[in-house]
Amino acid sequence: SQQGEEDPQALSIQEGENATMNCSYKTSINNLQWYRQNSGRGLVHLILIRSNEREKHSGRLRVTLDTSKKSSSLLITASRAADTASYFCATPGVQALRSASKIIFGSGTRLSIRP
Amino acid sequence: DTAVSQTPKYLVTQMGNDKSIKCEQNLGHDTMYWYKQDSKKFLKIMFSYNNKELIINETVPNRFSPKSPDKAHLNLHINSLELGDSAVYFCASSHKREGRNEQFFGPGTRLTVL
Repeated sequence: SQQGEEDPQALSIQEGENATMNCSYKTSINNLQWYRQNSGRGLVHLILIRSNEREKHSGRLRVTLDTSKKSSSLLITASRAADTASYFCATPGVQALRSASKIIFGSGTRLSIRP
Repeated sequence: DTAVSQTPKYLVTQMGNDKSIKCEQNLGHDTMYWYKQDSKKFLKIMFSYNNKELIINETVPNRFSPKSPDKAHLNLHINSLELGDSAVYFCASSHKREGRNEQFFGPGTRLTVL
């Protein structure tokens, strides 16, 4: 079953605007990751936030994590055409308690940046 | 150079055939994965190997058989291909570290079963 659910499923904004994507998950986690997938390519890891962190920045990316609400958000500031991609959140699966290797991906948000 | 590579990139074949997809990583990671991404972009884990040992085996038909000759390679063999096997298959790798499991993905293999 899908652990993470992204919201919205699709988002279209003007270049230069900020894009916000949300992720909700169901079980307790020790970290949450965000990945980007350009059309026809593999996923690329963007950022990992630990459960004891509330906010993390990386360049134009800002990730928040609210463990009480079991939700995370990814904010891309000053969007560019190259940001057009699908964005996925990923959380550890139950088996990760033993192997720390299994992660479960959400359904993704398709972000389109209009020039 | 590509850190995680897969071959072939595209695979078109007839129903009932047997095919293999190969994956190699040069990152020195000890864990490798196979994922299936369907037409709706849902990405689902199929298998994971750690140091050539199978550690994750999701509910996947036994027509799918992974093989890891060494920790840098994880191949996927599919017998008796069916129409529903059409998807993009991604290989990934990671280094097993407590609390962190960033994965590095290959470019994907688009499998089309006719």
